[in-house]
Amino acid sequence: GIQVEQSPPDLILQEGANSTLRCNFSDSVNNLQWFHQNPWGQLINLFYIPSGTKQNGRLSATTVATERYSLLYISSSQTTDSGVYFCAVPIIQGAQKLVFGQGTRLTINP
Amino acid sequence: SQTIHQWPATLVQPVGSPLSLECTVEGTSNPNLYWYRQAAGRGLQLLFYSVGIGQISSEVPQNLSASRPQDRQFILSSKKLLLSDSGFYLCAWSVRLGTRMQLAKNIQYFGAGTRLSVL
Repeated sequence: GIQVEQSPPDLILQEGANSTLRCNFSDSVNNLQWFHQNPWGQLINLFYIPSGTKQNGRLSATTVATERYSLLYISSSQTTDSGVYFCAVPIIQGAQKLVFGQGTRLTINP
Repeated sequence: SQTIHQWPATLVQPVGSPLSLECTVEGTSNPNLYWYRQAAGRGLQLLFYSVGIGQISSEVPQNLSASRPQDRQFILSSKKLLLSDSGFYLCAWSVRLGTRMQLAKNIQYFGAGTRLSVL
């Protein structure tokens, strides 16, 4: 099955810094989602981005499907951005089951 | 709008006791439903997947079972809990899609989770 790798595993930054999180996947995908898991465990949908670039406030994401990676950018980080960020792709192309990366734990210090 | 409810939020159970976690979805019909487990650490592991009433796919061998007695209700159960069943359990839903094009856009939405401690 498809493999999903996220990097870095951990990231500690000061408030106001910018960050880039990466998601590599081993096979072609037509669906990629980014999630933020807050400290209470809630998984929040950030982006559905199988290709191209999207922006939502301070967050943006880019997926280069041909090169099998996606990037999540967070600008001007705030302490509320802390948590774990996951990317997820279908277990096989077109499937309705997702496989998740191991996540990037982001800690924003005041 | 669609909402997903999951309860209880936390649960402490002794080894060998039964388990029942419930998940319900509102505002949509015929959803796909999923149960995930997140062990201490990080990754999410898909446990069960359902495309309709009574239709359950088990993804990993384990001590747990799932049932879907109603279209928008998904239940995770165990007859006898093990220590290794401790973890954070998440229910999710997605629109059940038909065409190949639609299948691509499988966006999953998660409940708030249940933190289970087996002692």
